[in-house]
Amino acid sequence: KAGVTQTPRYLIKTRGQQVTLSCSPISGHRSVSWYQQTPGQGLQFLFEYFSETQRNKGNFPGRFSGRQFSNSRSEMNVSTLELGDSALYLCASSLGAGGGSYEQYFGPGTRLTVT
Amino acid sequence: GNSVTQMEGPVTLSEEAFLTINCTYTATGYPSLFWYVQYPGEGLQLLLKATKADDKGSNKGFEATYRKETTSFHLEKGSVQVSDSAVYFCALSEIGGANSKLTFGKGITLSVRP
Repeated sequence: KAGVTQTPRYLIKTRGQQVTLSCSPISGHRSVSWYQQTPGQGLQFLFEYFSETQRNKGNFPGRFSGRQFSNSRSEMNVSTLELGDSALYLCASSLGAGGGSYEQYFGPGTRLTVT
Repeated sequence: GNSVTQMEGPVTLSEEAFLTINCTYTATGYPSLFWYVQYPGEGLQLLLKATKADDKGSNKGFEATYRKETTSFHLEKGSVQVSDSAVYFCALSEIGGANSKLTFGKGITLSVRP
């Protein structure tokens, strides 16, 4: 069974631009979560989608948004990029949504560098 | 709110040494607890988990016991290998919630030398 895939793996953008990252969950998984990983702040929760609905959102500005499609694939968008948005963005999928009940499987991440 | 505190790193050990990585948590509810591992250039992999007090999670020689009285979930391994070199994250997720949000500790880098 294929794992969680994220595209692209690496991305370089300029301040002020916008970016879209994509995540394809494991087949049959309906929940997709996004995390930002930086050396200073560690791993921080961005948002979670289940059956095309946002279930939970972390403490990030409105420049960060996401969506989920009917095939469970998810995208996240960051508009008006800032230098501080440079990070590894991780996507995780699980069969369902519910703390501790479903194991989350992580993708390899997209490394975003903002210059 | 929920939080996870891990011991400061990095940690460097010789092969076959005993490993302990401390983790304590603060939660409003009754969480599930996890250890994740991240190898260089990869995403996170679930190493082990425990969902209730006194549960012991184990995998690949690693163990951790859910201690409600001390709000801890320390990771241990009796004999580390070079291949265990990675970053280790302690995390929690609330049971019974309608979402899967994980709250992570800062992570600790383990280096094992031959």
